[in-house]
This record gives sequence, C-alpha cells and structure tokens, in this order.
Amino acid sequence: SYELTQPPSVSVSPGQTASIACSGDKLRNENVCWFQQRPGQSPVLVIYQNHWRPSGVPERFSGSKSGNTATLTISETQTLDEADYYCQAWDSSTVLFGGGTKLTVL
Amino acid sequence: QVTLKESGPVLVKPTETLTLTCTFSGFSLNDLRMGVSWIRQPPGKALEWLAHIFSNGERSYSTSLKSRLTISGDTSKSQVVFAMANMDPVDTATYYCARGGVTEEMTTIFDFWGQGTLVTVSS
Repeated sequence: SYELTQPPSVSVSPGQTASIACSGDKLRNENVCWFQQRPGQSPVLVIYQNHWRPSGVPERFSGSKSGNTATLTISETQTLDEADYYCQAWDSSTVLFGGGTKLTVL
Repeated sequence: QVTLKESGPVLVKPTETLTLTCTFSGFSLNDLRMGVSWIRQPPGKALEWLAHIFSNGERSYSTSLKSRLTISGDTSKSQVVFAMANMDPVDTATYYCARGGVTEEMTTIFDFWGQGTLVTVSS
C-alpha cells in the first residue's frame, strides 16, 4: 500500500474535465507535485507546490490541495493527455509517491 | 539546457551490487539549490523513490531499502553514483535519476528527469 492514495484509473471523454485525487496524512503539512508519464517515457512534472505549473505545461492543468487531499484537474481533456499520473510529496527528508492513476480519454 | 543520463549494466545477477551513474549537465551540485535523486519503476508498476543527495553533501535514503543503498556525488565530473547491494529479481526495474531543484519556498522538486535505464536481475 502507499502512504499517498490515488484511484487506479479515471476515465474522461475528450473535451471534458478530469480530476485525479491524492490523499494522505502527510499532505496536511507538505506540498504536492504531480507528474505525467506517457507510455515508454520518463515522468514529466506538471504541477509543483500544489498548484504551480512549470513553464511549458498547458494551462489546462491545474492543482489544488485541501487538508489531506490534493487534486489534479485537467480541463478540456485531449487524447494526448492519456497517461499515468503520479502525486508526490516529501515526508521530512524522504520522498513519497502515490500509486499512480491511469487516465483514459475515450 | 538541463540534461541527465543514466548509465550502467543492463543485467546483474542475484546477490550482486548494482552501480549506476547519472551524468548531468546544465546545473551543478555546487549550487545550493540543486540535488539529485534516484527513482525506480518496476515494469507496469508505480514510481518508487530510492535516494537523494543534496548540494551540501547530505544524503537521504528510502527507509525500507536504506541498508542496501549508497549515493555519492562527484561535482568535478557532474556525476552522481548510486549503488544497491544484494540485488534480487524483484529489483528489476527502470532506474531514473532526476534533478531536485529547490524552489523559493524551499521545496525540492523533480523538474528534470533522465531517460531511465532498465536493469534486469537474473541469473
């Protein structure tokens, strides 16, 4: 089991909004990052410090956090957004990853 | 331009020690805002963080694997070396190195990743 809990899968229709949750007690006091990983590729940072987007990440990607739950939201979802998404946080000097969520766009 | 690349054996035998090198460019470990982590991913499974080296030389390890791991940095070569002892077939995975950049809020974020290297453990 993972200290950061994510749903294994989320499905969304093209053009609709997808939301992926990440929950864990550590999140109450720690910032969250989100990574996108397409098949056969390395993870890419899409959200850091709960809601900030690195340069080059589309505005369709947004993040939020409340209490022990963080949420990645992808608006106007496109087929190219189909990927695995991982949340991540620091726990003191160690790192936690969620179990990952497979986003299917169909 | 920031790049990282992992190198090392693609096949190791059970009980052997795996040694991987991350060679990077576009930043320096002499920069107090920088660090490097190793992260692995078994085939079809989730990411698992292994170890991190901070610019001040401090090291942090996965609690569950700490006894098997070593991480070290060579600033002159822009390299970080990672070792995992007593390898087992369950350690078969793609091993990534990633830059840990420190933000203004003093949070370390993994903003650049290497391409990863698949290591298979088999006799």
